[in-house]
Amino acid sequence: AQKVTQAQTEISVVEKEDVTLDCVYETRDTTYYLFWYKQPPSGELVFLIRRNSFDEQNEISGRYSWNFQKSTSSFNFTITASQVVDSAVYFCALSELALGRLYFGRGTQLTVWP
Amino acid sequence: KAGVTQTPRYLIKTRGQQVTLSCSPISGHRSVSWYQQTPGQGLQFLFEYFSETQRNKGNFPGRFSGRQFSNSRSEMNVSTLELGDSALYLCASSPFTGGGNTIYFGEGSWLTVV
Repeated sequence: AQKVTQAQTEISVVEKEDVTLDCVYETRDTTYYLFWYKQPPSGELVFLIRRNSFDEQNEISGRYSWNFQKSTSSFNFTITASQVVDSAVYFCALSELALGRLYFGRGTQLTVWP
Repeated sequence: KAGVTQTPRYLIKTRGQQVTLSCSPISGHRSVSWYQQTPGQGLQFLFEYFSETQRNKGNFPGRFSGRQFSNSRSEMNVSTLELGDSALYLCASSPFTGGGNTIYFGEGSWLTVV
């Protein structure tokens, strides 16, 4: 069965702090895809990254970085030098090769205080 | 390039009524999927359409239905509304079906059932 767990329900940090959002997944497929989305209060899910199961290279995009470790079934997301505009709910999601549907975690509410 | 567009953004309905939500995918995208987001259940997959055919369906009662038109635009319908149907309904599109696609979301339709 497919499952995505985001154990951190809420995280609060002060601006300029680094913060890591955890994501652990379960799947029996050998080919799968992992995603992170950001959801501001407006409701739209904003795509941040997609990673396939064969690519364990870490990725950095500006202040964002992602650490994918198949050995621990984790796909963690780090924001460096957080800003107030980073405040949102962040979702980790999984899809498998055959079907495009996403299995979402419950999300982590990140609040960055000035 | 325009994103995924959903209408209406907000609506209030009475129990027992029905509702139709519309979604225009990103130009060139042929797969459209729908998700329901509630505080209690989180983000749940409703169904996916590709080339006017339902490709995949989540675990929702038959009151939830959808369709896709030849221009890839999609509608979902909920009949005999219940209070528990109050939710954010998110439409997403991707170029093709299957797990290797990046899935982009619209801003959602906020449905309140009273």
